[in-house]
Amino acid sequence: KAGVTQTPRYLIKTRGQQVTLSCSPISGHRSVSWYQQTPGQGLQFLFEYFSETQRNKGNFPGRFSGRQFSNSRSEMNVSTLELGDSALYLCASSLEGARTEAFFGQGTRLTVV
Amino acid sequence: AQTVTQSQPEMSVQEAETVTLSCTYDTSESDYYLFWYKQPPSRQMILVIRQEAYKQQNATENRFSVNFQKAAKSFSLKISDSQLGDAAMYFCAYRENSGGSNYKLTFGKGTLLTVNP
Repeated sequence: KAGVTQTPRYLIKTRGQQVTLSCSPISGHRSVSWYQQTPGQGLQFLFEYFSETQRNKGNFPGRFSGRQFSNSRSEMNVSTLELGDSALYLCASSLEGARTEAFFGQGTRLTVV
Repeated sequence: AQTVTQSQPEMSVQEAETVTLSCTYDTSESDYYLFWYKQPPSRQMILVIRQEAYKQQNATENRFSVNFQKAAKSFSLKISDSQLGDAAMYFCAYRENSGGSNYKLTFGKGTLLTVNP
């Protein structure tokens, strides 16, 4: 069974640009969540999608957005990139139910210069 | 808002010894789940162990066990017979059981575990 796949693995962007990150969940998983990981703030929740609907959103500015497709694949977009957006972005997928395990991808390392 | 605190930024242990990582959390909910995740240098987060708040019995997974103290809101991880492969960043995480509408995980800042040969 394939795991959670995130592409690309590494990305370098310039301030002011926009970026789109992709996440393919484990087959059968309809919940996809995104997290930002930085040395200073740790792991912070961005948003969660379930069956193409955003169910929860973290405390991030509107420049951060996402969507989920009918095949459960998800994308997140960051517009007008700032230096502080440099981080590891992790995607996690899970089955329905709060006790279920969240399976994480290896992340996308975004560097903004 | 729920918070998770890991007070030990770094810990070290000798191979084959036992180490305990601490975690405390704050919540007003009564029904929730607690997790320990491991993040090795490969960056992929891996679930180590899970505890349901309504279960009094502490969870155990092979060499990994927890000490769950609900009243004290404490959730420590004990690693027995430590192995070199246990070296990683360990995160404590909380998820409330809100009936299927909130799968958000709240993480602590992590504890970096070093295993010395």
